[in-house]
Amino acid sequence: KAGVTQTPRYLIKTRGQQVTLSCSPISGHRSVSWYQQTPGQGLQFLFEYFSETQRNKGNFPGRFSGRQFSNSRSEMNVSTLELGDSALYLCASSLAGKGYEQYFGPGTRLTVT
Amino acid sequence: QQQVKQSPQSLIVQKGGISIINCAYENTAFDYFPWYQQFPGKGPALLIAIRPDVSEKKEGRFTISFNKSAKQFSLHIMDSQPGDSATYFCAARITGGGNKLTFGTGTQLKVEL
Repeated sequence: KAGVTQTPRYLIKTRGQQVTLSCSPISGHRSVSWYQQTPGQGLQFLFEYFSETQRNKGNFPGRFSGRQFSNSRSEMNVSTLELGDSALYLCASSLAGKGYEQYFGPGTRLTVT
Repeated sequence: QQQVKQSPQSLIVQKGGISIINCAYENTAFDYFPWYQQFPGKGPALLIAIRPDVSEKKEGRFTISFNKSAKQFSLHIMDSQPGDSATYFCAARITGGGNKLTFGTGTQLKVEL
């Protein structure tokens, strides 16, 4: 089975721009979670989607948003980028009822200049 | 109360030795405690996990010890190998919190020959 894929792998944006990141979960996985990883704050939960509905949200400003499609693929969007948004954005997927076993993708490295 | 405290921040172990990483938590609503291994340029990979009703779980060279009364759990890597050199994260999930994981700050392990 193919693992979680994330595109693009690397991205450079300018402050004030917006960005969309994509995540394709493992086939059959309906839950997708997003995390931000930075050297200073570590791994922080952004939000979780299940069957196209946001089920959980972390403590991030409204500039961070996401959605999930009927095929379980997910996107996250960050508007009005700030320098502090530079991070590795990780997507994780899990089977329904086995959310405790999350499988992470390789991440998208976002650099904001 | 949502935090998971992890120590040490970094660890150097000789090949064949035992690597021990510790985590502590306050929130008794946590119901699942996974450990993740992350290599540079990769997403975290689920290593082993435990529920609070179990005191120990072993998978190959990896063992989790769980002390519910002390609200502490630890990862032991027996016969540590250079290939184990990576960053290790403990995490915890809250009962009824969906699939949101709260992560420790990570331990950089280096296994020397």
